[in-house]
Amino acid sequence: SQTIHQWPATLVQPVGSPLSLECTVEGTSNPNLYWYRQAAGRGLQLLFYSVGIGQISSEVPQNLSASRPQDRQFILSSKKLLLSDSGFYLCARGQGTYEQYFGPGTRLTVT
Amino acid sequence: AQSVSQHNHHVILSEAASLELGCNYSYGGTVNLFWYVQYPGQHLQLLLKYFSGDPLVKGIKGFEAEFIKSKFSFNLRKPSVQWSDTAEYFCAAIFSGNTPLVFGKGTRLSVIA
Repeated sequence: SQTIHQWPATLVQPVGSPLSLECTVEGTSNPNLYWYRQAAGRGLQLLFYSVGIGQISSEVPQNLSASRPQDRQFILSSKKLLLSDSGFYLCARGQGTYEQYFGPGTRLTVT
Repeated sequence: AQSVSQHNHHVILSEAASLELGCNYSYGGTVNLFWYVQYPGQHLQLLLKYFSGDPLVKGIKGFEAEFIKSKFSFNLRKPSVQWSDTAEYFCAAIFSGNTPLVFGKGTRLSVIA
């Protein structure tokens, strides 16, 4: 089984508070890992991707950051949330040029 | 810039109608193409994929897509839709090497009885 876990499933946080979303992957070694944000009518926006431990590529400038402390763990963070950070965050794994598989997502509401 | 376009934002069909959702990409090189589906309240799932070979690919649940290189297109089709096909459909591409998927903005399909 190559399962992707994301937690929490839902989160409500005040503006200015920190954020930590976690993604872990089972059943595969050295996967490519990705963070996307999904907004209605805008598709999936790639935020970060990682091809290995400690290797992070950022696709958009923003107040979010990502880290990969272990091979199968990918963390999305923020020191101070903005209202515009609200959204549905998806973690995905992939291998090279092959398809990606997605986790269940985290619904973040910033109030 | 490399991109994927889905021109239909929302499609409404009656049950048993035929479906075709458009997808175009902009890139002159080799491309891997995908269709994903997201049913209400569920994960994104892979419907089908094209890497090479036969340009007509068949996926799950009776869906198929045709890669037409000259038109830079990868349209999704189903001869007869069901109410359970109500979902959001995303076209995506990997344009080169070990790079992330690029998604279109999605098409919402509503099937009515």
